[in-house]
Amino acid sequence: NAGVMQNPRHLVRRRGQEARLRCSPMKGHSHVYWYRQLPEEGLKFMVYLQKENIIDESGMPKERFSAEFPKEGPSILRIQQVVRGDSAAYFCASQLPGHKAKNIQYFGAGTRLSVL
Amino acid sequence: SQELEQSPQSLIVQEGKNLTINCTSSKTLYGLYWYKQKYGEGLIFLMMLQKGGEEKSHEKITAKLDEKKQQSSLHITASQPSHAGIYLCGAVTGTASKLTFGTGTRLQVTL
Repeated sequence: NAGVMQNPRHLVRRRGQEARLRCSPMKGHSHVYWYRQLPEEGLKFMVYLQKENIIDESGMPKERFSAEFPKEGPSILRIQQVVRGDSAAYFCASQLPGHKAKNIQYFGAGTRLSVL
Repeated sequence: SQELEQSPQSLIVQEGKNLTINCTSSKTLYGLYWYKQKYGEGLIFLMMLQKGGEEKSHEKITAKLDEKKQQSSLHITASQPSHAGIYLCGAVTGTASKLTFGTGTRLQVTL
């Protein structure tokens, strides 16, 4: 059973470009979370999605950031018109549905975004 | 909002020594999760604690949640170089599913 897959592992963008980060959850996991780790800062929650639904986006910046988790395919975190402050490691975590999951989230290796 | 504070921030121990990392919450913990992160990699799930007084062990790592459910400790016995990394505690608040993470403890194990 493959773990949470994120790609690309490293992404370099120039200011003003778009960044698309992809996350394929573990098999059978229908819940996906995105977190951001800024340099010298802790890991911060961004958004929580279930298939085709955004459940909690309280950690998402109001502008330029969006996330989706379609019925088919990976979850996508999209950052439009990137700025240098967006440079960070972006982690995706997936979770089984239901109470038996005990809310355990399994993390991918992350995408490291560098904005030039 | 819930805040988690970890101590110490960093730790250097000699191989074979024991060590303890603490995680203190500003609010009651409904679930406390310990993860390990190696530089440039993702988080590896270690253990989850839910009940006050609960203690779990895996290999040489033991985690405890105090009775009042506001503090957890992670203890490593006879540390090895493979234990090096950043240890993070994470918590859920009430019914929310998202994790709030502590500040992290960077562990180095010297030979």
